[in-house]
Amino acid sequence: NAGVTQTPKFRVLKTGQSMTLLCAQDMNHEYMYWYRQDPGMGLRLIHYSVGEGTTAKGEVPDGYNVSRLKKQNFLLGLESAAPSQTSVYFCASSYRAIGYGNTIYFGEGSWLTVV
Amino acid sequence: AQSVSQHNHHVILSEAASLELGCNYSYGGTVNLFWYVQYPGQHLQLLLKYFSGDPLVKGIKGFEAEFIKSKFSFNLRKPSVQWSDTAEYFCAVNAKNSGAGSYQLTFGKGTKLSVIP
Repeated sequence: NAGVTQTPKFRVLKTGQSMTLLCAQDMNHEYMYWYRQDPGMGLRLIHYSVGEGTTAKGEVPDGYNVSRLKKQNFLLGLESAAPSQTSVYFCASSYRAIGYGNTIYFGEGSWLTVV
Repeated sequence: AQSVSQHNHHVILSEAASLELGCNYSYGGTVNLFWYVQYPGQHLQLLLKYFSGDPLVKGIKGFEAEFIKSKFSFNLRKPSVQWSDTAEYFCAVNAKNSGAGSYQLTFGKGTKLSVIP
């Protein structure tokens, strides 16, 4: 049981390049999330999904797009990377909404540097 | 919307010292509360959580936290820290049963704990 898996783990991009981070979960969870973590800022929610085919904006969605074409996968895209997007990105999933008592599980993170 | 404040940015303790990390939240309704730990280079791991019931919650590795509703606080404690507790600790809040808010986990900015052998 792999849990939540993120690829790639590390990536260096040039300003203006595009890339996609892939998150896969094997726990049959309905809800998936993308967070970014910056020093002194904690984790901030970028986008989330409450089921296959749905997405919604979180706290810091600008510059990112997401897709949830399959229940087990949640993709985070950067269309034109900027240095401000240098961060550690964490994917997470939960069976249902956290507010109803469900536990959220995190992936191991993806370190992205934009130069 | 909910928010979380962690009062200490960096705490330095000697082994065997007692630990208390402060966490206060802002939200007018009922909440679920969490403490996560992140060891260097690793992902977040759940230390403990409060959903309902006994406000004193015990977690893994000897940690505990107390929910004081009147103070909007959920402070983390450990009687005697070890070098292996060196990590960053995050408090998080989730709005219970509140529609869109119930999907979101709002984190504090974190407290780095350094334990000196």
